[in-house]
Amino acid sequence: AQSVSQHNHHVILSEAASLELGCNYSYGGTVNLFWYVQYPGQHLQLLLKYFSGDPLVKGIKGFEAEFIKSKFSFNLRKPSVQWSDTAEYFCAVRVTGGGNKLTFGTGTQLKVEL
Amino acid sequence: GAVVSQHPSRVICKSGTSVKIECRSLDFQATTMFWYRQFPKQSLMLMATSNEGSKATYEQGVEKDKFLINHASLTLSTLTVTSAHPEDSSFYICSAIFDRVETQYFGPGTRLLVL
Repeated sequence: AQSVSQHNHHVILSEAASLELGCNYSYGGTVNLFWYVQYPGQHLQLLLKYFSGDPLVKGIKGFEAEFIKSKFSFNLRKPSVQWSDTAEYFCAVRVTGGGNKLTFGTGTQLKVEL
Repeated sequence: GAVVSQHPSRVICKSGTSVKIECRSLDFQATTMFWYRQFPKQSLMLMATSNEGSKATYEQGVEKDKFLINHASLTLSTLTVTSAHPEDSSFYICSAIFDRVETQYFGPGTRLLVL
């Protein structure tokens, strides 16, 4: 079965710092990849997704992620974070042809300080 | 984006009672709905996949007789936790999809506390 690892459980950054959150998955076949964000007190929202094509995908709010197939990774990046980016970030994987089931990572709590 | 609601947002119940949680897609017809459980500081764990008009598909280790799922219409799925015990206390989240692209839209979650 596939699994997803997010190595950073808690990240604290100052505003304007650059962000990179790691996500690695274990599955040898074709996958779709997602990053979701959960702001305090709110529901999960889709940040971006990769299905095929250009491995560098851009999402909302200035976020982007790069799919590196050889490394089984889909790291999330943002060049300059804002206080409002404080949230929990979840990476998720779906195996193509395996139904619509998502497997989530354990999440990374990001705190951006002023 | 598409909106998914859950009701109630929080519920406290006594051990041995049953609790029903509703998940509604407000502005689209959901072909499939999913139920997840999230423990503190842990990831979302898929419990079951629910298709309208058919039986839910449960993940391994999830007791289908304890977590009853009914998907009566394209906009409503319910999760009933039967004979709840304190270990069932958790955060339950539903999601729904409505297109072949299969992006899941999540509800706000329901916090269940069993005393």
